[in-house]
Amino acid sequence: GAVVSQHPSRVICKSGTSVKIECRSLDFQATTMFWYRQFPKKSLMLMATSNEGSKATYEQGVEKDKFLINHASLTLSTLTVTSAHPEDSSFYICSARAEISGYTFGSGTRLTVV
Amino acid sequence: DAKTTQPTSMDCAEGRAANLPCNHSTISGNEYVYWYRQIHSQGPQYIIHGLKNNETNEMASLIITEDRKSSTLILPHATLRDTAVYYCIVLFPGGGADGLTFGKGTHLIIQP
Repeated sequence: GAVVSQHPSRVICKSGTSVKIECRSLDFQATTMFWYRQFPKKSLMLMATSNEGSKATYEQGVEKDKFLINHASLTLSTLTVTSAHPEDSSFYICSARAEISGYTFGSGTRLTVV
Repeated sequence: DAKTTQPTSMDCAEGRAANLPCNHSTISGNEYVYWYRQIHSQGPQYIIHGLKNNETNEMASLIITEDRKSSTLILPHATLRDTAVYYCIVLFPGGGADGLTFGKGTHLIIQP
């Protein structure tokens, strides 16, 4: 089945620094990938749609300059949290849609900003 | 809006069948019913999907009512590892350009 790999699984960073999260489709090509954010005991919230070769589209209320998305190839999308602050601490999850098996999710990245 | 309604939480005894309901009364003719689950601190995992016929795979069964306004996910022999939040989502799979909209899901707790 389709597999999406997300790295790192956990990261702790200092306030003011930037953190990059990678999302790879391992056995299929994904022109579109999705980034979600999840706060404790809450549901997943779609942040942005990553489009290969073009600009990402962001959901209302998500700062595009804070959450930089790059989708440079058909198998890789990255999310960079810039100038991170403690309120950016969250669980970030990526997803890609494979033609046959539908939406597949990465294992998530737990970001803690101290 | 999530377009689905699920109970907030449910308990089930280990070894028994877990039946998780979902209401989707505004589902349109070309929308499928998908079920995902999320175990704590992991990404969501696909379980099963269907259009109008009942479906079964190695993980679960999906029963969709004839009017398609509701469905039930059945885990036939629940184990402790089935404790998770279960999300029922309706979508048109032919799209793919839109991310999924997650409701609050049902927190299923399997009791030993």
